Formats: sequence, C-alpha cells, structure tokens
Amino acid sequence: DAKTTQPNSMESNEEEPVHLPCNHSTISGTDYIHWYRQLPSQGPEYVIHGLTSNVNNRMASLAIAEDRKSSTLILHRATLRDAAVYYCILRDRRASGSRLTFGEGTQLTVNP
Amino acid sequence: NAGVTQTPKFQVLKTGQSMTLQCAQDMNHEYMSWYRQDPGMGLRLIHYSVGAGITDQGEVPNGYNVSRSTTEDFPLRLLSAAPSQTSVYFCASSRNREGANVLTFGAGSRLTVL
Repeated sequence: DAKTTQPNSMESNEEEPVHLPCNHSTISGTDYIHWYRQLPSQGPEYVIHGLTSNVNNRMASLAIAEDRKSSTLILHRATLRDAAVYYCILRDRRASGSRLTFGEGTQLTVNP
Repeated sequence: NAGVTQTPKFQVLKTGQSMTLQCAQDMNHEYMSWYRQDPGMGLRLIHYSVGAGITDQGEVPNGYNVSRSTTEDFPLRLLSAAPSQTSVYFCASSRNREGANVLTFGAGSRLTVL
C-alpha cells in the first residue's frame, strides 16, 4: 500500500486559515486521498476525500497537486473545535481498498 | 440511524482472561475493520472483513481472533489477554472496500489489562 507523510504537529490561530500538507509520492493512479480527523477522546471522523480534482464540502477543502504526489487539507477559518489529529490516507479505487493504514497524523493546535 | 456501535466502552481484564469486544453497524456495510490505538500513536489495523464469512489479517493480528457471521456484526476476541493489549480499540465500516467509500468509526472501547 502507498504510504503518506505528514508533519507531526502544526499550530494556527483562531479564525485564520489552516493548510495541512500530506505527501504521497508513491500514490497510484487508482488511489483516492482521504482525510479524517480525531477529536480528543473520540473516534476518527471523515473530513473529505478526492481522486484528482480539488474538492470542497462544508467542513474543508482538499487541494490535490497536479502530479497527485501531495495534497493539502484547507480549513478556511479555524475554530477551537478544529483542534484534533488529522490523518491523510490512501484508498484504492479498485475493489482492493481493504488494508487501510493510518500514520500518526498531524496534531493541530488552535490558539485563541 | 445509530451508525457503528461498540460495546463495552470500558473494560478491565486480568492477564490471561478472555473477552469479546462487540461491533455492530446498521448501515448494511460490507466492509468492517478493527484498529487499536496506543497512547500518542496512530491507528493500527488488526483485522478486517470485506463481507459476511470473509476475514483477513491487518498489521497487528497476533493475539486477536475475528469472525463475520452476519453483515451487521464483527466481534473481536482476545483469547488470553496480555498487558501489551492495553489500548483503545476502534471499529470502522464502509459500504464496501472500493476507494470512494468513506469509513464510519465507532466511539471506541478502552481496554486495560492488568
């Protein structure tokens, strides 16, 4: 399975945009890029996912590099409730996306 | 719509005891999986299932058994608990194993083995 690399931690100020990077240089053409986040003492929750084009939803935006070797999760206005660990993972588009591996993610701290 | 339900939320065991962590989903999802998360660490895949009657090993399967007799349920069994199995366990499911399908996680089961 292709691996992802994320910074261990990032800091932001409340109401400012946050750009969380993810490198996936060995991504295959059939891998979807998924982002999840884990709030303190909770299970992970889905944030956003995409294949080739940039994606927007009510929580965030996902910017995918043209060569797909990296992506960025964008929180447009960080709030204190966005403080969490953010995980970037890859899931194969074909019916083989079974062994999903999570790294240690990025711990986002949001300062008031 | 309950989503993914895990029981119990907390459990304390003695070394050598056995127990089963329950996971149930009501979304008719084919794919289910178990992860463990140690303090300050990411999630590690224990076992997964792509449908009823089909299971396979993840990264850290030793010491754990699973079965999938129904679409809804995916129990995780510890046959002889060890202190190294102290962890938080998460169950996750998705419609199927194709890449566009997102995972829904349970709230977790915190296990302490003394």
